[in-house]
Amino acid sequence: TQLLEQSPQFLSIQEGENLTVYCNSSSVFSSLQWYRQEPGEGPVLLVTVVTGGEVKKLKRLTFQFGDARKDSSLHITAAQPGDTGLYLCAGSLARGSSNTGKLIFGQGTTLQVKP
Amino acid sequence: DTGVSQDPRHKITKRGQNVTFRCDPISEHNRLYWYRQTLGQGPEFLTYFQNEAQLEKSRLLSDRFSAERPKGSFSTLEIQRTEQGDSAMYLCASSSSPRTVQAFFGQGTRLTVV
Repeated sequence: TQLLEQSPQFLSIQEGENLTVYCNSSSVFSSLQWYRQEPGEGPVLLVTVVTGGEVKKLKRLTFQFGDARKDSSLHITAAQPGDTGLYLCAGSLARGSSNTGKLIFGQGTTLQVKP
Repeated sequence: DTGVSQDPRHKITKRGQNVTFRCDPISEHNRLYWYRQTLGQGPEFLTYFQNEAQLEKSRLLSDRFSAERPKGSFSTLEIQRTEQGDSAMYLCASSSSPRTVQAFFGQGTRLTVV
């Protein structure tokens, strides 16, 4: 079973539409990160959220960390073809002082934005 | 460029051969991680170093896999007697913060075992 469930796995939309990607777990995370990955490249860090209820904005992207630090969402407003890619959520489990920083990844959401 | 650097970017090898990958982390980062990613999946944790000490290894890391970080700087990941199931993208990441993790990834090494 996947510790971090990401949905949807695939999303194909038209330019200008809005979308939301969800990342859910039954475990509590000390922090959660969102990455974007292009084919054949490594993941690129978009944002880190650490406080329950935290909201961060990056241009047209809005990231939210759930109050209980078990879930997160990524909302894109007015999607553009340049937003096409694989979006990954990744969390660091909250386990007291022995936090190694090991990341648990969701399966990823493949987003295609058509012109 | 002061980001995480991985070498080679691509490796094609015959089954049974040994391969070694190198990772150069961001210079001030004391934490280094190796992950493996197969097509259509998110990366999976393999192992973690704090400075030169290897502090955690995943069960995914069979006896054929070994990783080192001899001077707490660059790291190598070796796979012995490669199998077709080892074909994947091998990703290296580094971070510095002990509490709020911000891991930065390299571009990865794509391994194809034929």
